[in-house]
Amino acid sequence: DAGITQSPRHKVTETGTPVTLRCHQTENHRYMYWYRQDPGHGLRLIHYSYGVKDTDKGEVSDGYSVSRSKTEDFLLTLESATSSQTSVYFCAISEGLAAYEQYFGPGTRLTVT
Amino acid sequence: GQNIDQPTEMTATEGAIVQINCTYQTSGFNGLFWYQQHAGEAPTFLSYNVLDGLEEKGRFSSFLSRSKGYSYLLLKELQMKDSASYLCAVMDSNYQLIWGAGTKLIIKP
Repeated sequence: DAGITQSPRHKVTETGTPVTLRCHQTENHRYMYWYRQDPGHGLRLIHYSYGVKDTDKGEVSDGYSVSRSKTEDFLLTLESATSSQTSVYFCAISEGLAAYEQYFGPGTRLTVT
Repeated sequence: GQNIDQPTEMTATEGAIVQINCTYQTSGFNGLFWYQQHAGEAPTFLSYNVLDGLEEKGRFSSFLSRSKGYSYLLLKELQMKDSASYLCAVMDSNYQLIWGAGTKLIIKP
């Protein structure tokens, strides 16, 4: 199994509070991704990173920011959480782009009340 | 817009064969992936197709027709542990994965 962990695994927070989710990898993969998964929807890309301090927006980036100061860590921040951000968040890593599979972390279940 | 369609749910019998279809319309094409996701767990990679034809890997096979925007995942000799959701994803021209909503496969004894 790819060495990829997420923390916390579960979190309940109140509307308007900031939240940071952490993804940590031990594979030294260049690419890292944050997705959200909601019932009835496919996985949707929030942000991704193609190297240290190199990040770009995905399909559903509004209300989220990311940072990658080290190869192994990719942080996702909800600046001011809203109920619409209640979801399961997955981090993924890959060695490259085309033809490279993505390996997923165990997920973080976030509930915003 | 970009779109991936797959059936929401399918039911099959243990020991049988099931085919899960996926049709897609995307901005560019850099390959199609199938993932398996058990309830409450992370997706795990099953197969990758970039050229037309059939790729076989044990009990699982995946087929691609780029001209038709169509793929299927074929599962043979179904086992109870195959009960899961199967996700189809296409890599677009920006090398981003566009995901279908998944097909929940229920296996009955």
